Amino acid sequence: SQQGEEDPQALSIQEGENATMNCSYKTSINNLQWYRQNSGRGLVHLILIRSNEREKHSGRLRVTLDTSKKSSSLLITASRAADTASYFCATVIRDGGADGLTFGKGTHLIIQP
Amino acid sequence: GAGVSQSPSNKVTEKGKDVELRCDPISGHTALYWYRQSLGQGLEFLIYFQGNSAPDKSGLPSDRFSAERTGGSVSTLTIQRTQQEDSAVYLCASSTRTITGAVEAFFGQGTRLTVV
Repeated sequence: SQQGEEDPQALSIQEGENATMNCSYKTSINNLQWYRQNSGRGLVHLILIRSNEREKHSGRLRVTLDTSKKSSSLLITASRAADTASYFCATVIRDGGADGLTFGKGTHLIIQP
Repeated sequence: GAGVSQSPSNKVTEKGKDVELRCDPISGHTALYWYRQSLGQGLEFLIYFQGNSAPDKSGLPSDRFSAERTGGSVSTLTIQRTQQEDSAVYLCASSTRTITGAVEAFFGQGTRLTVV
């Protein structure tokens, strides 16, 4: 079953606006990561937030984590056309064993010039 | 190498044939993951290796799919008797492992498999 679920599935905004994407998950996690995928090929890691962290920043990216609600959000400020991509959250679950990453289905973000 | 390398980048095969996909992870990365992504869809987890062992094979969709990793490095994903629904991009990723769990994963560019 899907561990992470992003919403919205698709988001279209004007260049310069802020984009917010959300991710919900089901089980306790060790950490949560956000990735970007351009052109349907390899994914690029954006940011990692650990279960004991609540907020993290990297450039124009801000990630929050609410473990009580089992949710995370990714905010991209001052969006640019180059931010057009699919964004995925991935969780590393606490199962005492494997550290396999489990991905959601992604949010497709379109930045209109 | 500098990054995760996958080969071939594209593969067209006839239905019923076997295919072998290769992943060369970043040197020193002990964790290796295989995912499958159909057009416009999310990533479907297939299998995860820690070293040469695969603690999680739960994602392999059928017994036609198998994967191995030797020497803690290169991994091959084999699909036997391919079917049209196997057409997808197959992505490989690798990461180091720390005491507190996995850190970021580095992805290859994928192999686009088309079964005709």
